[in-house]
Amino acid sequence: GQQLNQSPQSMFIQEGEDVSMNCTSSSIFNTWLWYKQEPGEGPVLLIALYKAGELTSNGRLTAQFGITRKDSFLNISASIPSDVGIYFCAGQLPFGGNSKLTFGKGITLSVRP
Amino acid sequence: DVKVTQSSRYLVKRTGEKVFLECVQDMDHENMFWYRQDPGLGLRLIYFSYDVKMKEKGDIPEGYSVSREKKERFSLILESASTNQTSMYLCASSFTGQRTQYFGPGTRLLVL
Repeated sequence: GQQLNQSPQSMFIQEGEDVSMNCTSSSIFNTWLWYKQEPGEGPVLLIALYKAGELTSNGRLTAQFGITRKDSFLNISASIPSDVGIYFCAGQLPFGGNSKLTFGKGITLSVRP
Repeated sequence: DVKVTQSSRYLVKRTGEKVFLECVQDMDHENMFWYRQDPGLGLRLIYFSYDVKMKEKGDIPEGYSVSREKKERFSLILESASTNQTSMYLCASSFTGQRTQYFGPGTRLLVL
C-alpha cells in the first residue's frame, strides 16, 4: 500500500537544540497528522493539519501542511530530554473513507542532556 | 478525554495457542482499527471495523481474524499463534469522517 517517507530512521540531538522532521509522499493527502510514541506506549496525537499551507503550533512544536499537499514537517524547538520517542507522520488520502490513515515508519529521536 | 484501553500490556503465548486481544473505547466511535508495529516496518493495518459486526481487511490480515459484537469493543484473534506474530499490537478508534485516530497503550505479544 501507500507509504509515507520519513528519514533518517534515528536522530540524535543535544538538549536545547531545535530539530526538524520531514514527511513526504508521491501522493496528495488531505490530512497530515503527527504522533509521538514513548517507549512501551501507544502513539499520542501531537498536531493535526487539515488545509494546504496550514501552520499549527502546540507548545514548542510547530507543524506545517505543505502547499503541494505531498509533504509536511514538524519542528521541535529548544528540545528537552522528555522529547525522546518515536515521531510518526500519518496522512489521509482524498476519498480515504472510514478515517483510514497511511503512516510513515517513524523517526526515533534521542536527546542528550 | 478519549480513552482506548487494551486488555493486556504484555502477553506470552505458545505456538499454536488461540490468542484474544481485546480493545475497548469509551467515546462512542464508529471506527476501530488493529495495527501491528515492528521495528523498521512502522504501523501496519491488520483489520478495521466501521460499525458493529462490520469488518474489512487491512494490509496484513493473514493469520488474524476480528470480532465486533458491540460498538465499544473490537477483538483481534490469532487462531493459531506463530512465532512470526510476536509483535506490538495497537488498537485505535475514530468517529466516521474524523481525520484522526486515537490509540490504546498497546499489547506486546511474545509467541514462543
